[in-house]
Amino acid sequence: NAGVTQTPKFRVLKTGQSMTLLCAQDMNHEYMYWYRQDPGMGLRLIHYSVGEGTTAKGEVPDGYNVSRLKKQNFLLGLESAAPSQTSVYFCASSPFSGETQYFGPGTRLLVL
Amino acid sequence: RKEVEQDPGPFNVPEGATVAFNCTYSNSASQSFFWYRQDCRKEPKLLMSVYSSGNEDGRFTAQLNRASQYISLLIRDSKLSDSATYLCVVRAVGYQKVTFGTGTKLQVIP
Repeated sequence: NAGVTQTPKFRVLKTGQSMTLLCAQDMNHEYMYWYRQDPGMGLRLIHYSVGEGTTAKGEVPDGYNVSRLKKQNFLLGLESAAPSQTSVYFCASSPFSGETQYFGPGTRLLVL
Repeated sequence: RKEVEQDPGPFNVPEGATVAFNCTYSNSASQSFFWYRQDCRKEPKLLMSVYSSGNEDGRFTAQLNRASQYISLLIRDSKLSDSATYLCVVRAVGYQKVTFGTGTKLQVIP
């Protein structure tokens, strides 16, 4: 099993460009999450999903959109990138709420 | 007050030492507690769950103090490989998501 995978691993964007980050898990988990991690801020939840076809806002959802059309995939979109979105983005999944979260290796995004 | 607070450190300890970290939480309805470990430039990974009765896994012991609203992590006989950032994670009853602390950095010195 690959666990949780993320693509791309690293990306540089110019302000105003758009992109989609892909998260895939092969553990048949119901819950999936997108976090961003910034120095001194810890992991902050952007959006999450409790099952296929459902999404919900987390702590810092502005500027991001998500979709979960298939149970194994959770996409994070940036419609118009801003320098404030420079961060490391982690995807995670868990079987149910409150259970162990399994993280992907992260995507490093630099917005110029 | 932050939902979950940790001393950022760094804690610099010699090999073989015993070190303890605390993590305080503000929501008295918190139900699930975890310690995760994050190596530099890597993803967080579960170290251990924290149960009401406390739990031990080898050199690692985790405890919960509901009255004072904190959890602790004790590492005995520190190894160089224990150098990492330790994240405290808390979930409140009825919540579908968890809150991560900002982490405590541990550096074990030869």
